[in-house]
Amino acid sequence: ETGVTQTPRHLVMGMTNKKSLKCEQHLGHNAMYWYKQSAKKPLELMFVYNFKEQTENNSVPSRFSPECPNSSHLFLHLHTLQPEDSALYLCASSHLRQGYSNQPQHFGDGTRLSIL
Amino acid sequence: GNSVTQMEGPVTLSEEAFLTINCTYTATGYPSLFWYVQYPGEGLQLLLKATKADDKGSNKGFEATYRKETTSFHLEKGSVQVSDSAVYFCALSGQSGGYQKVTFGTGTKLQVIP
Repeated sequence: ETGVTQTPRHLVMGMTNKKSLKCEQHLGHNAMYWYKQSAKKPLELMFVYNFKEQTENNSVPSRFSPECPNSSHLFLHLHTLQPEDSALYLCASSHLRQGYSNQPQHFGDGTRLSIL
Repeated sequence: GNSVTQMEGPVTLSEEAFLTINCTYTATGYPSLFWYVQYPGEGLQLLLKATKADDKGSNKGFEATYRKETTSFHLEKGSVQVSDSAVYFCALSGQSGGYQKVTFGTGTKLQVIP
């Protein structure tokens, strides 16, 4: 039990579909993250939410749309994806305190996304 | 900006061999350093951490020492097991805009053979 739960674990979708990935954390953290992990590439940070506010968007295409309704839930809405978007999408959470950087991130097991 | 460089894999070792995975970093200020492990089909799990110079993080037989003079945080284990086969990520956490920002290395795949 990691404390961070992602659903679904696997998702296959066509390029014209719309789907959403869900992440839920039970750790009382105040920050949540989306990462993309592709084969043979470094882990890519996509979005950061601090206290439910988006504080970072690393030049992610608009076909990815995050939503953070509260500090425990994070969604990634997907539409009109491309084959190169096939990857493992990881959610993480952490406890942020201004001026401190010693808190680790806790990861879910990811959603394996395949675009046909 | 901050960066993390770790040795490229894959690293293949026989069971009970000694393991070293090198990690060096570039950062401003006083970052915290982490090693994460990713087993097949899972997300990243925190393995150990060190928050200041000369700190030694340890867990499950793995160790790493925060060396500020060499900007390094090498991961070591005296005797690896088949169950240690995984991908290992070095990471640093520093301040950006008043909040924590984490930078990950590219990962090193370890394969331990019986």
